[in-house]
Amino acid sequence: QLKESGPGLVEPSGTLSLTCAVSGGSIASGNWWNWVRQAPGKGLEWIGGVYHTGHTRYNPSLESRATISEDQSSGYFSLELTSVTAADTAIYFCARKMASGLYYGLDIWGQGTTVTVSS
Amino acid sequence: YELTQPPSVSVSPGQTAYIACSGNMLGHRYPCWYQHNPGQSPVLVIYEGDKRPSGIPGRFSASTSGNTATLTISGTQPVDEADYYCQVWDNDNMVFGGGTQLTVL
Repeated sequence: QLKESGPGLVEPSGTLSLTCAVSGGSIASGNWWNWVRQAPGKGLEWIGGVYHTGHTRYNPSLESRATISEDQSSGYFSLELTSVTAADTAIYFCARKMASGLYYGLDIWGQGTTVTVSS
Repeated sequence: YELTQPPSVSVSPGQTAYIACSGNMLGHRYPCWYQHNPGQSPVLVIYEGDKRPSGIPGRFSASTSGNTATLTISGTQPVDEADYYCQVWDNDNMVFGGGTQLTVL
C-alpha cells in the first residue's frame, strides 16, 4: 500500500514537499515509484518517478522544479516541487509501476493528497 | 508525444462503450488504460495494450491498430461511469491522454 503525506497548503513561490510511505512491500523490489497529479478540472499529469537504484525521470515540463528521491531504509519516496504557483494546486498521487518493463502501468496508487498553493 | 481522446462518450446501460485514443504509431506502444472516479485513486484496467490486471472484470478489453487504441466496455454498467485515460511510455517518460468522461445513461 501507498500513502501520501505532507502539507495541504503551500505559499506561492515556496516548495511543495510530499512523502509516500510504502507498506507491504519494498522500494528495493525493482519497480519505478511515481508521482502523478490532477489539477482541478484537468486530467492526470505524470510528474516523474524514481527507480530503486535512485535513478530518476521527470516530465520535461516540470523537470527544472521537481526532485524525486527514495529512502529504502525508511520505506518511502518523496517529491519536492520548487517555486510553486497556483497552477500547482492539485491532488497529488504516488503510484507504483507494476514492473520494470516498457509496457506496464501503475497498478498501486495512494489515496491522494490535496495541495493548495495560496497565501 | 501526444495522446488524443474524445472529451466524452455516452452509452446506455447494457450496451458497449468504445473509448478511443490516438497517437503516432500508437499500435507499437501497447498503451495502458486507467479508470478514474473523482475523489478516488485511478485504477489500472488495461496494461501492455490488451492485458487485464487481476481483479478487473472481463467486460473491459482493449485493442490497438495503427494510430488508434480503443478501450471497449461490454455490457456497460452504471458503476463504469468514470473518466478513462490512455497512457504510454515515451523515452521513459509517462504520457497520459486528456481523458474521456464516460456517461452511462
